[in-house]
Parts: sequence; structure tokens; C-alpha cells
Amino acid sequence: EADIYQTPRYLVIGTGKKITLECSQTMGHDKMYWYQQDPGMELHLIHYSYGVNSTEKGDLSSESTVSRIRTEHFPLTLESARPSHTSQYLCASSTSTDTQYFGPGTRLTVL
Amino acid sequence: AQSVTQLDSQVPVFEEAPVELRCNYSSSVSVYLFWYVQYPNQGLQLLLKYLSGSTLVKGINGFEAEFNKSQTSFHLRKPSVHISDTAEYFCAVSTGGFKTIFGAGTRLFVKA
Repeated sequence: EADIYQTPRYLVIGTGKKITLECSQTMGHDKMYWYQQDPGMELHLIHYSYGVNSTEKGDLSSESTVSRIRTEHFPLTLESARPSHTSQYLCASSTSTDTQYFGPGTRLTVL
Repeated sequence: AQSVTQLDSQVPVFEEAPVELRCNYSSSVSVYLFWYVQYPNQGLQLLLKYLSGSTLVKGINGFEAEFNKSQTSFHLRKPSVHISDTAEYFCAVSTGGFKTIFGAGTRLFVKA
């Protein structure tokens, strides 16, 4: 069983609020990822990290930011949430052979 | 650049019938291939993977997939499905770099 955690699982907030989605893994993986997924749709990579102090933007333009100060922790922050940010956010980490382990996701609703 | 095409967006099937979910990929280099399953309101879970060696790969929940290099395919099969197999299935490809390309997903709907 994968040891990757996301909090909160569900979040409903108002427009303009700053939020941070937490993601932690205990597997010691260097690579971590954030995906955005609308219900029943494909995954879009929004951020990834090779290791501590290394972050890159993904294929889908996103107004969010990430940090990687510790190997196990990869939080995603939205400075000012908007209704267009309503989606599910999935965090993952991977082995050296790119086998990805996913967290349970955070379903964000911005009113 | 790599790409992944899942040929069916939805596959309805009756319980205890066999099923095949099709996946084709394109890549100019050697690849790793994966199938993941996603149940409602959950993250993705690894079903099986092909890294090297035998082209027939067995995974969890009775699923298997066959890597066909000449046809650049990695179809997922199960000889007898259960209601509990109803979920979204994603095929994915990577080249050992930092990005994995996911297909658009196939929704498997098992009917009683």
C-alpha cells in the first residue's frame, strides 16, 4: 500500500482566499507531481519536482505554486482562489522506474 | 515525444464476460508502460507495469496486459469481470525521464 497522503480531502472556499493543499510521502521518493483532474476526465500535469529545492511547471498552465523544502513534503498553494480552480488535485510520487503512487486527492470547490 | 491513445472512451460489458481495454503508444525510444485504475473519488492505483522482460504482464485483481512492440500496443485484459471492476482505467508511458504521459482514460462499466 502506497504511503502518500493529501489533506484536506475536500475543501470549499470563497473566491479570493489563499489555500495550501498538503501532500506528504514516506517512501523517500525524489520525484513528486501535482495533477489537476476534472471529474471523469484525463490528468493534467501542473507541477513536478526532481528533489529538494527543484520544481518545474508542467504541461497545463496553472496559477498555483509549489515548494520542495523537504523530500517528503510537496505542498501546492493558490494565492487567490477563483471558481475556475474548482477541480480535483492529485499528488503523486514515483520510483526510479517511473512507477507512480498517488494520494487520494483533494476535491476543491471555489464559490 | 511520447503519446498515448486509449482507443475506447467507454466500455460497457456484462458481469463475468471478458474485457479488453485498448492502448496504443508512440515513442522513438524504449518505454515503460503502465495501467492504473481509478475508483470514484480516489487517486489512481497501479494495476500492472511493463519495464522489461516477458511481454505478458500480470497485475492485481486478475488483470493482465501484453506488450506488443511491433504494434506499439499495451492492451489490458481480464477473462471475467466483476461489478467491482467498474472504474476508470488509464494507460501511461514513460521513458525513464521525469514525465509520464497518461491516456485520456477508459471508463469500464460492468452490468449485472
